[in-house]
Amino acid sequence: GAGVSQSPRYKVAKRGQDVALRCDPISGHVSLFWYQQALGQGPEFLTYFQNEAQLDKSGLPSDRFFAERPEGSVSTLKIQRTQQEDSAVYLCASSTRQGFLDTQYFGPGTRLTVL
Amino acid sequence: DAKTTQPPSMDCAEGRAANLPCNHSTISGNEYVYWYRQIHSQGPQYIIHGLKNNETNEMASLIITEDRKSSTLILPHATLRDTAVYYCIVRVNSGNTPLVFGKGTRLSVIA
Repeated sequence: GAGVSQSPRYKVAKRGQDVALRCDPISGHVSLFWYQQALGQGPEFLTYFQNEAQLDKSGLPSDRFFAERPEGSVSTLKIQRTQQEDSAVYLCASSTRQGFLDTQYFGPGTRLTVL
Repeated sequence: DAKTTQPPSMDCAEGRAANLPCNHSTISGNEYVYWYRQIHSQGPQYIIHGLKNNETNEMASLIITEDRKSSTLILPHATLRDTAVYYCIVRVNSGNTPLVFGKGTRLSVIA
């Protein structure tokens, strides 16, 4: 079946531009996570949604980062006024159950390069 | 911060078993051991998880010591496609809990 998809796969932005990264989770998956992966590092948690509710945004590095999932399926991660330190791969993961042990399925990621 | 310690890199000959160690000496009683791997330019892929009993699936086996302070992921017959970064993660039993990745072990399978 279809897995988690992300678009675009690659994004180049000039410093100061706003960007929007899209995640299409596996159909019916309740939970959705965003992670940021810097070069040579493991992924780091950014934020978590359960359906349309953003229950944890403790990992967002600044108020320039904003995520939404208005209808409980597709999610968008927006970064305003991008900086060079925002350059990373942004990964989305979804899982099927809430409040129980589950498996997170990851998309291929969006590689953001800020010049 | 990651609660696990893994060697930064390992090599394995193709067709041989790859044994990837992980130390998690501060693991709590309600935390599971998860393994994910990340092939170059792809998102992490779930491999296996366990609480205290050894586990096996079509991808790998997970051996957890009796005191639960360490574990070993075993790929029984490594292939070139198993070349990846392998992450050992401890996580509480909750679907709301994000994964906390360390730097993992870079496994290179050599022909």
